Amino acid sequence: EAQVTQNPRYLITVTGKKLTVTCSQNMNHEYMSWYRQDPGLGLRQIYYSMNVEVTDKGDVPEGYKVSRKEKRNFPLILESPSPNQTSLYFCASSSLPGAGTEAFFGQGTRLTVV
Amino acid sequence: AQTVTQSQPEMSVQEAETVTLSCTYDTSESDYYLFWYKQPPSRQMILVIRQEAYKQQNATENRFSVNFQKAAKSFSLKISDSQLGDAAMYFCAYRRGYTDKLIFGTGTRLQVFP
Repeated sequence: EAQVTQNPRYLITVTGKKLTVTCSQNMNHEYMSWYRQDPGLGLRQIYYSMNVEVTDKGDVPEGYKVSRKEKRNFPLILESPSPNQTSLYFCASSSLPGAGTEAFFGQGTRLTVV
Repeated sequence: AQTVTQSQPEMSVQEAETVTLSCTYDTSESDYYLFWYKQPPSRQMILVIRQEAYKQQNATENRFSVNFQKAAKSFSLKISDSQLGDAAMYFCAYRRGYTDKLIFGTGTRLQVFP
């Protein structure tokens, strides 16, 4: 089954404690992205990757890191989480854009930073 | 910069009736794609319908159809014969051609009453 898998689905952590949210896709997609969803703001892109070892900033990259060492995995790293990073996070993947190819989303990770 | 505006934070409809959700966007690009995503309480992002900007014909998927007015930069979603399972948050999204990045509106919460 084609899918994007995020873990964990729920996470409560304390300010400053490093954490990683994992994302894996099984569709051999080149493109992967991270979004955060906040009430009244919709989803905003944090980082994206066009292929292995190629990553770039989205609209709200401050406080986040990513890496793309393998095509299937695209972890999101918060080195020193702060309460303003409390949000719902989505990983998404798509094949080479063109003809409006669909983005597939993971199940979401609800992160709370206290 | 491209923007997407959903001016209706909430809408409601009676079961079996028709409802239209509004979306406008701003872009100077000619090659782009528009999408409607559904987000039920499970938080999963589900693609409802897509529209290629170069196509004049409005997209249709079963009970879901769009009214794409390119000159007016309007992309509304019509849901016919509404069902209880249609209750969800609906996001309009824009993607410039040959890029991965989706730009989302702020969402419209749809309630369906029996």
